[in-house]
Amino acid sequence: QSVLTQPPSASGTPGQRVTISCSGSSSNIGSNFVYWYQQLPGTAPKLLIYRNNQRPSGVPDRFSGSKSGTSASLAISGLRSEDEADYYCAAWDDRLSGWVFGGGTKLTVL
Amino acid sequence: QVQLVQSGAEVKKPGASVKVSCKASGYTFTSYGINWVRQAPGQGLEWMGWISAYTGNTDYAQKFQGRVTMTTATSTSTVYMELGSLGSDDTAVYYCARDDCTNHICYPGVWGQGTTVIVSS
Repeated sequence: QSVLTQPPSASGTPGQRVTISCSGSSSNIGSNFVYWYQQLPGTAPKLLIYRNNQRPSGVPDRFSGSKSGTSASLAISGLRSEDEADYYCAAWDDRLSGWVFGGGTKLTVL
Repeated sequence: QVQLVQSGAEVKKPGASVKVSCKASGYTFTSYGINWVRQAPGQGLEWMGWISAYTGNTDYAQKFQGRVTMTTATSTSTVYMELGSLGSDDTAVYYCARDDCTNHICYPGVWGQGTTVIVSS
């Protein structure tokens, strides 16, 4: 069982906006930044969002992150076929003294 | 550009150990720590621990303490992760991920390509 909770799947059609949720607790999301990673099929994870809502250079502004209390979400607008991937949230956990991840959300572009 | 290149796939028998390498390039090796994260088949990501490339200090996830050893070789800009007493549930892709840091808060940023470790008798 993952410490952070994500829906196992999400879907949308091209051009749509989809959101992926990530739920944690006071020891992780509630007190630390949230990060999002994109994992395309057969590849390594890639940093998508850092410090809740910051995008590394090269990440399109279609991707945005937010956090409220012990939950966070990733929004993808203008959905494209190349966005089909697994998405993981992550945060440092003060109680476990380590990084914790969500179980991942498989995004399907219909 | 920052690049992490990992060693090739391994097949090990139960009870054996495996040592995976992660060679860094494109930045000053000692300026950033390295995390190790694994992913079992069809499963999510699991953080194993971290090593400072400057001091060699380590921070292991409780689950792996006593069974994992992370080391560095500054002369070759390489980090190693050795996992012992392998069981079938250690079959996974193992990733190294360099810290990125913003305002002194660091997080796994750039990832290696992954190393597949299969544990089978």
